[in-house]
Amino acid sequence: GAVVSQHPSRVICKSGTSVKIECRSLDFQATTMFWYRQFPKKSLMLMATSNEGSKATYEQGVEKDKFLINHASLTLSTLTVTSAHPEDSSFYICSVRGVRGRGDTQYFGPGTRLTVL
Amino acid sequence: QKEVEQNSGPLSVPEGAIASLNCTYSDRVSQSFFWYRQYSGKSPELIMSIYSNGDKEDGRFTAQLNKASQYVSLLIRDSQPSDSATYLCAVTGPSGGSNYKLTFGKGTLLTVNP
Repeated sequence: GAVVSQHPSRVICKSGTSVKIECRSLDFQATTMFWYRQFPKKSLMLMATSNEGSKATYEQGVEKDKFLINHASLTLSTLTVTSAHPEDSSFYICSVRGVRGRGDTQYFGPGTRLTVL
Repeated sequence: QKEVEQNSGPLSVPEGAIASLNCTYSDRVSQSFFWYRQYSGKSPELIMSIYSNGDKEDGRFTAQLNKASQYVSLLIRDSQPSDSATYLCAVTGPSGGSNYKLTFGKGTLLTVNP
């Protein structure tokens, strides 16, 4: 069964609005979650590492004030795209560092497709 | 900087054949190696993980690791049209800290022809 869920699966919004995406670990407590972005026909790009109870660690070039990450519990991390613009349209995917295999195994959520008009 | 290289393909094989996917990595201290399958428009799905030199088999899938050559491969036996997808190779470094991050290759597009 699914290990990680994401909500919503698809969202369309107007330019300038903020969008929140939820990532839930269903099977185990996740101290670490990751957020990725993927543009059409491109590779997965890691945006940030989300750590429960502390600030997220952002990759170089990712604006932390634009992509707000909150990891308030061991099963939930949220990504908020603030003041979204058309160039933010992408496939956003979270992953959970799991304990089913070794600690460095990542299980991916189903993704959220964001379209900004 | 860690790099993971894959042949982008597309790799086309007939149904029932063996598909061979290859990956090389640059960081010698990489410890964990993964193959993910990604269907078009979907998120990656874990297929195999391998940590030690040699072969690891799971059903029709066999992962092979050669740390001396910094090479990892995935063989798919009796390929089916449903195996048509992009296959992503990913590696992590020694456990702990930022080494939990995955470094992905760009993926190899596999097409299995009926």
